[in-house]
Amino acid sequence: AQSVSQHNHHVILSEAASLELGCNYSYGGTVNLFWYVQYPGQHLQLLLKYFSGDPLVKGIKGFEAEFIKSKFSFNLRKPSVQWSDTAEYFCAVYGNNRLAFGKGNQVVVIP
Amino acid sequence: DTAVSQTPKYLVTQMGNDKSIKCEQNLGHDTMYWYKQDSKKFLKIMFSYNNKELIINETVPNRFSPKSPDKAHLNLHINSLELGDSAVYFCASSFRAGPDEQYFGPGTRLTVT
Repeated sequence: AQSVSQHNHHVILSEAASLELGCNYSYGGTVNLFWYVQYPGQHLQLLLKYFSGDPLVKGIKGFEAEFIKSKFSFNLRKPSVQWSDTAEYFCAVYGNNRLAFGKGNQVVVIP
Repeated sequence: DTAVSQTPKYLVTQMGNDKSIKCEQNLGHDTMYWYKQDSKKFLKIMFSYNNKELIINETVPNRFSPKSPDKAHLNLHINSLELGDSAVYFCASSFRAGPDEQYFGPGTRLTVT
């Protein structure tokens, strides 16, 4: 079965700082990778996804992620965060007809 | 317009009771899901229906029974509630069964006392 590891579960940073969240996956089949975000009090929504092609994927709100096959990684980045980026971020891999989520990163951006 | 809606948003009940959570999507999607998010925010698939047919049934106690009366609805009934059932339950839908974007509902926070 597929699995996802996310590290640094709690991240606190100041506005304008750069953000990078690590995601490592384990799955032997065709890789479909996602980052979802859950803003406080809101439902999960898709930030970006990778299916194939360019390994650098751009998503909403200035986020991007890079798929590195040799490292089984799909790290999320944003060069300059804003207070409104405070949220829970989940990496997920699709396989065996289901999404498997990581345990999430709680990101707090201090104004 | 709310794409995926769930009712109720909060549910507080005692051990041993039976309760239901309802989910509706107005996106015209074929596939719907139930997820459980525990106190550590870990999100795990419970069930998935495609065109009213059960396609995923994870290792979930049989006290949990999903029902899909039509493609737009997927309800979750829980019998004999236990303390460990306390969690946030999310409904989601996708255009088809596959690696499509999933649209999540707002969640139902279930507290069993």
